[in-house]
Amino acid sequence: NAGVMQNPRHLVRRRGQEARLRCSPMKGHSHVYWYRQLPEEGLKFMVYLQKENIIDESGMPKERFSAEFPKEGPSILRIQQVVRGDSAAYFCASSPPDGVRNQPQHFGDGTRLSIL
Amino acid sequence: RKEVEQDPGPFNVPEGATVAFNCTYSNSASQSFFWYRQDCRKEPKLLMSVYSSGNEDGRFTAQLNRASQYISLLIRDSKLSDSATYLCVVHFNKFYFGSGTKLNVKP
Repeated sequence: NAGVMQNPRHLVRRRGQEARLRCSPMKGHSHVYWYRQLPEEGLKFMVYLQKENIIDESGMPKERFSAEFPKEGPSILRIQQVVRGDSAAYFCASSPPDGVRNQPQHFGDGTRLSIL
Repeated sequence: RKEVEQDPGPFNVPEGATVAFNCTYSNSASQSFFWYRQDCRKEPKLLMSVYSSGNEDGRFTAQLNRASQYISLLIRDSKLSDSATYLCVVHFNKFYFGSGTKLNVKP
């Protein structure tokens, strides 16, 4: 499967714990985006990364949230000291390098995070 | 002002109807345009790219009006399976998503 791979599909955490969400982009894609979707709401942009570089994190909450996309391995979205309001679906998408016009994003299946 | 704006709907139409959605964008330098479809609790999936000359894929037709900064999606002969949320996406340096238009196709 050469698509965007996210894991885990479902993640349950207790308040105060840490959540780590992983995303492996499609082969040949160097750009990764993370989005959050609350029930009955639209997609909200969180962060846009290239390898070893955060391009735009304007949608990230100021505290407890961080993202990385290392040279080797998947992109990680990390949420520290989770609270009930963090319960949501978190989607990752990837796209080809800049300069490839009209190339869309492709999404992973998402991680459903539930906070007890 | 939001980068991309869509009517949230819902649009409730009978099977076989023709329905059209519009989407406006604020940045005139936007370069690429797409329509995605999202089913309940699933990931968004690419429906079609939108090209300057307009393009068609079966029952779906997408058009771009750069002068007025809007794109449209026309669905002919609606099917029950077309019920979903349709997301307008515009690219300029990064992807900007509209909040989606909900379509309900009724028997």
